[in-house]
Amino acid sequence: GQQVMQIPQYQHVQEGEDFTTYCNSSTTLSNIQWYKQRPGGHPVFLIQLVKSGEVKKQKRLTFQFGEAKKNSSLHITATQTTDVGTYFCAPPSGGYNKLIFGAGTRLAVHP
Amino acid sequence: NAGVTQTPKFQVLKTGQSMTLQCAQDMNHEYMSWYRQDPGMGLRLIHYSVGAGITDQGEVPNGYNVSRSTTEDFPLRLLSAAPSQTSVYFCASSGTAGFLQETQYFGPGTRLLVL
Repeated sequence: GQQVMQIPQYQHVQEGEDFTTYCNSSTTLSNIQWYKQRPGGHPVFLIQLVKSGEVKKQKRLTFQFGEAKKNSSLHITATQTTDVGTYFCAPPSGGYNKLIFGAGTRLAVHP
Repeated sequence: NAGVTQTPKFQVLKTGQSMTLQCAQDMNHEYMSWYRQDPGMGLRLIHYSVGAGITDQGEVPNGYNVSRSTTEDFPLRLLSAAPSQTSVYFCASSGTAGFLQETQYFGPGTRLLVL
């Protein structure tokens, strides 16, 4: 079945530093979603990317979908302690609303 | 609007016991699913349902049963609990899909410990 690889698995940064997580697929994706999970919490939807080369911004978060639609990235500018959590990419799998989730990137932010 | 609710929040079972994890949503979503989350493994799909009376298997269905008698409820049953089923279980729901996958709304999760 389809799989996605997320890198890095874990990153810790000093507050104010930038952070990027990457999601790579071996197959072309029709779209991809990103979710955030705070420690002890549940995943929460952040964004969906559909178009080749698409870039979307949410305040300090920038999401990008690769030109070949095989990879995606999430970049956080000037991290804050509120950014702590695990970020998952989730492309579709097998139709309807099925998603597969990457293993996630856990972000720790040190004040 | 409660969204997606799950009960119980935490459960301890002995090996061989059975139990049902409850999930309910009040958003009239057709699609519901169950995931398990283990450290370093992300979320893995156990079972899903595209509507009342219709269920199907996900990536890791063994040891679990589901049913969908109403749009609102999607319980997950552990037939004979094993230590390998120790995990955090999340229920999720989403609306009718067109071309794109819809946003998934997750419940707060059930932490299960099997001794």
